[in-house]
Amino acid sequence: GENVEQHPSTLSVQEGDSAVIKCTYSDSASNYFPWYKQELGKRPQLIIDIRSNVGEKKDQRIAVTLNKTAKHFSLHITETQPEDSAVYFCAGTSNNNDMRFGAGTRLTVKP
Amino acid sequence: DAGVIQSPRHEVTEMGQEVTLRCKPISGHDYLFWYRQTMMRGLELLIYFNNNVPIDDSGMPEDRFSAKMPNASFSTLKIQPSEPRDSAVYFCASSFQGRVFGYTFGSGTRLTVV
Repeated sequence: GENVEQHPSTLSVQEGDSAVIKCTYSDSASNYFPWYKQELGKRPQLIIDIRSNVGEKKDQRIAVTLNKTAKHFSLHITETQPEDSAVYFCAGTSNNNDMRFGAGTRLTVKP
Repeated sequence: DAGVIQSPRHEVTEMGQEVTLRCKPISGHDYLFWYRQTMMRGLELLIYFNNNVPIDDSGMPEDRFSAKMPNASFSTLKIQPSEPRDSAVYFCASSFQGRVFGYTFGSGTRLTVV
């Protein structure tokens, strides 16, 4: 099955700076890569996703890039705000439709 | 749509007792997933169903864990007997056509076994 690794485990940035979280995956057949944001005590919520037929996708201040050759994808958050503070999870799916999550990155945006 | 509904939100039980967690997926979703979240192990996939049929239960930690989906609108995850190391947040998620769309998670059940 798929194995997803995520780095860094914690990330602290100053408000207004950019934040980048990186993930690698093992299964070359994986073709769907979502990112989830989980605030303290709440459920993970999908914030952006990318499919393997595109290299980049952007939605306002967040963007995701995918490098299929290297089997890695990244989440980019620009102009960070305190409300961006949360745990972010990447995930990948292999052929059997189950989604495997990375270990998570705790992002802290300092005002 | 009310989203994925899980119950109870919190459960405190004594070691050795049976625990049943419940999930109602989003209407029309054909995949249902059970995840366990702990600080040490993150989000672990326990089992998932497609059209009410269990597809992969390789993540179920032990025979003490069992899951059922008797119909398209209801699933249960049962732990019998429960142990303190089962303490975690259990999430149910559902999706339409599996990996084509992102999952929608329920609010989770925080289980504490004392």
